[in-house]
Amino acid sequence: DTAVSQTPKYLVTQMGNDKSIKCEQNLGHDTMYWYKQDSKKFLKIMFSYNNKELIINETVPNRFSPKSPDKAHLNLHINSLELGDSAVYFCASSQDVGAGNEQFFGPGTRLTVL
Amino acid sequence: AQTVTQSQPEMSVQEAETVTLSCTYDTSESDYYLFWYKQPPSRQMILVIRQEAYKQQNATENRFSVNFQKAAKSFSLKISDSQLGDAAMYFCAYRRTGTASKLTFGTGTRLQVTL
Repeated sequence: DTAVSQTPKYLVTQMGNDKSIKCEQNLGHDTMYWYKQDSKKFLKIMFSYNNKELIINETVPNRFSPKSPDKAHLNLHINSLELGDSAVYFCASSQDVGAGNEQFFGPGTRLTVL
Repeated sequence: AQTVTQSQPEMSVQEAETVTLSCTYDTSESDYYLFWYKQPPSRQMILVIRQEAYKQQNATENRFSVNFQKAAKSFSLKISDSQLGDAAMYFCAYRRTGTASKLTFGTGTRLQVTL
């Protein structure tokens, strides 16, 4: 059984388009995250939600909008895609906001903007 | 701001040998957590080991152990009896205690395991 799932796994699109990536966790966790991994493999937090409430919002362009309809889902919508948005996006979840908790990662979504 | 530095972009080890991956970090906090995550070619991020800063005893998980030197802000990962399946990117990460703290990753070390 997949703990943290993301769809799609691959996304190829043109500049200027709007796209969404979906994330679901079946672990019963309260906290979810979005990370971006660039072409040099550097991984950086974008957003974190706890029980559907935004608790971390890094300096991300406002073209990126996370949405958490319930605590098992955290979707990422990106408007007006740019070349620099090409990356692998990871969703993750943890039991709660405790700093020592393991974060369980999804398989990643490779976004390519042409 | 907290930073995590992994000074070895690539490392290589022979199967069954031992390898140590380095990590240093910068923080003014006294209580925090340190982690090593593994990312194999499948891209899946997997927790290898974690250490709480106020615990002096070094964490161990089977063939994986850490050398945590709090004063030196150093957190190295030792892999014993290396296996082919250990080949991956390894990321050191830091997170201070607190509900809105973020996990800060280093730039990663790519580990190759040779026969």
